[in-house]
Amino acid sequence: ETGVTQTPRHLVMGMTNKKSLKCEQHLGHNAMYWYKQSAKKPLELMFVYSLEERVENNSVPSRFSPECPNSSHLFLHLHTLQPEDSALYLCASSSRLGVFGTQYFGPGTRLLVL
Amino acid sequence: AQTVTQSQPEMSVQEAETVTLSCTYDTSESDYYLFWYKQPPSRQMILVIRQEAYKQQNATENRFSVNFQKAAKSFSLKISDSQLGDAAMYFCAYRRLMYSGGGADGLTFGKGTHLIIQP
Repeated sequence: ETGVTQTPRHLVMGMTNKKSLKCEQHLGHNAMYWYKQSAKKPLELMFVYSLEERVENNSVPSRFSPECPNSSHLFLHLHTLQPEDSALYLCASSSRLGVFGTQYFGPGTRLLVL
Repeated sequence: AQTVTQSQPEMSVQEAETVTLSCTYDTSESDYYLFWYKQPPSRQMILVIRQEAYKQQNATENRFSVNFQKAAKSFSLKISDSQLGDAAMYFCAYRRLMYSGGGADGLTFGKGTHLIIQP
């Protein structure tokens, strides 16, 4: 595997379900990000992790709970979501020390909340 | 707070022609980075080109080049010799420069421009 992978690629869940999105990066990076891409809004930054420590939480509702157990893995735990949470969730990673801090993205998880 | 504006929701160009996508941004920072990402129908976000704000020279990557006007806070993308594979959503993005060594800062994106390539 190379780059940034995300599983599952598609997810349908009910409002009372609990599910988790997984992101794995194979680039040796040490910062990871969650973004939300919905139809009518620009990509929105949700969370930033640097060296497994959350450094930014962009006013995201508590029904989204991130977890970064190590520098290669990032999870987004979902519970009691609302239909408006349906979106494409993108994970990205970067090197903290990179000049550009260029972020490399995974293919995304398309989430539908019924 | 930084904002990024892409004023063209959709652009169309003939294959082999040149097209320019516009982007303006607002920031109070003096040092930052700018990026263009491409998102084809697969939804995979792919880096196209990047620019450091302190560099006056415009970045180029093969058929892709930028026109960076720092005073005007403008960062347009020029695609030369357009190809069918260039059809995608194009996003302009901003990232501030982290001096503290934290190095982890999110991107601020524009709403995107849908580029159509006419054969």
